[in-house]
Amino acid sequence: DAKTTQPNSMESNEEEPVHLPCNHSTISGTDYIHWYRQLPSQGPEYVIHGLTSNVNNRMASLAIAEDRKSSTLILHRATLRDAAVYYCILISGGYQKVTFGTGTKLQVIP
Amino acid sequence: DTEVTQTPKHLVMGMTNKKSLKCEQHMGHRAMYWYKQKAKKPPELMFVYSYEKLSINESVPSRFSPECPNSSLLNLHLHALQPEDSALYLCASSQVGQFNQPQHFGDGTRLSIL
Repeated sequence: DAKTTQPNSMESNEEEPVHLPCNHSTISGTDYIHWYRQLPSQGPEYVIHGLTSNVNNRMASLAIAEDRKSSTLILHRATLRDAAVYYCILISGGYQKVTFGTGTKLQVIP
Repeated sequence: DTEVTQTPKHLVMGMTNKKSLKCEQHMGHRAMYWYKQKAKKPPELMFVYSYEKLSINESVPSRFSPECPNSSLLNLHLHALQPEDSALYLCASSQVGQFNQPQHFGDGTRLSIL
């Protein structure tokens, strides 16, 4: 199964950009890269996803390396509400592989 | 508010009890999932239903029995659980066969086995 690795924790100052990395060196050609975040006592919440090209939405941006072996979730201006565990996930055809990364706990400092 | 509703939010049961967890969504999604999440760990996939049929069982012990009675409901029947089964159980739904579409998660049922 494809696996992802993420730093255990990161800190950011409020209103500063945050770059959350994810390594997925064994990614296959059919794997989509999804990012979710989980606040305490809540289920995971979808943030963004991509396959090969960089992606932007109202919540964040996703930068995917050309060889697809790594990706970076970019929060343009961190707020206190962005403090959560961020998971990098690979999802492929048939949902045969649904592998959550170890997750990065993001702390936002006022 | 989440679009996937899970009940109950908390459940305490003994090892000989039989109980069920319930999950409901009205987004027209035809894929539904059960995950198990231990404290400070990522969610682990247990089961996947596609068009109300079980498509993936991640080698889950038979004391966990899933059921999908219709396209909006997903149940997880519990019997003779062990203390190590205490965890947060998450339900999710998504479009079928659209792997570029997000999964929508409920807030989970926190299960404690005495």
